[in-house]
Amino acid sequence: KAGVTQTPRYLIKTRGQQVTLSCSPISGHRSVSWYQQTPGQGLQFLFEYFSETQRNKGNFPGRFSGRQFSNSRSEMNVSTLELGDSALYLCASSVGTSGADEQFFGPGTRLTVL
Amino acid sequence: AQSVAQPEDQVNVAEGNPLTVKCTYSVSGNPYLFWYVQYPNRGLQFLLKYITGDNLVKGSYGFEAEFNKSQTSFHLKKPSALVSDSALYFCAVRSKSGGYNKLIFGAGTRLAVHP
Repeated sequence: KAGVTQTPRYLIKTRGQQVTLSCSPISGHRSVSWYQQTPGQGLQFLFEYFSETQRNKGNFPGRFSGRQFSNSRSEMNVSTLELGDSALYLCASSVGTSGADEQFFGPGTRLTVL
Repeated sequence: AQSVAQPEDQVNVAEGNPLTVKCTYSVSGNPYLFWYVQYPNRGLQFLLKYITGDNLVKGSYGFEAEFNKSQTSFHLKKPSALVSDSALYFCAVRSKSGGYNKLIFGAGTRLAVHP
């Protein structure tokens, strides 16, 4: 079974631009969560989607948004990029929304904002 | 509020010796606890989890962890470390009050195993 895939793996953008990151979950997984990883703040939860609905949201500004499609694939969008948005963005999928389900992570998208 | 503490930024161990990576947590309600490992330029890999039942849980690559409710701890252990175990280790918690799929991560502990 293929793992979680994320595209692109690397991105370089300039301040003010917007970016869209894509995540394909493991086949059969319906829940997708997004995390931001930075050296200073560590791993921080962005949001979670299940059945095309956002179920949970972290403490990030409205510039960060996401969506999930009927095939469970998910995208996240960051508008008006700032230097501080440079980070590794990780997507994770799980079978459902049970607290007992482990999340499986993709390799991440490394975003650099210049 | 939920939180996870990993008190050591780095743990150094000689190959063949036992290793422990510490984790304490704070949640309201019953916790679901997880350990993940991250190798350079890679995503996180699931190692093991505690949901309920036996306090000692066994996971991938010979790792195990012990849940201690009274000390609110979930330390990761391995009887004999390998150089290939060198990586960044994250403890994470989630609970019903926090939103089930919202994992709260510790800051991470870098494990360095020396030959």
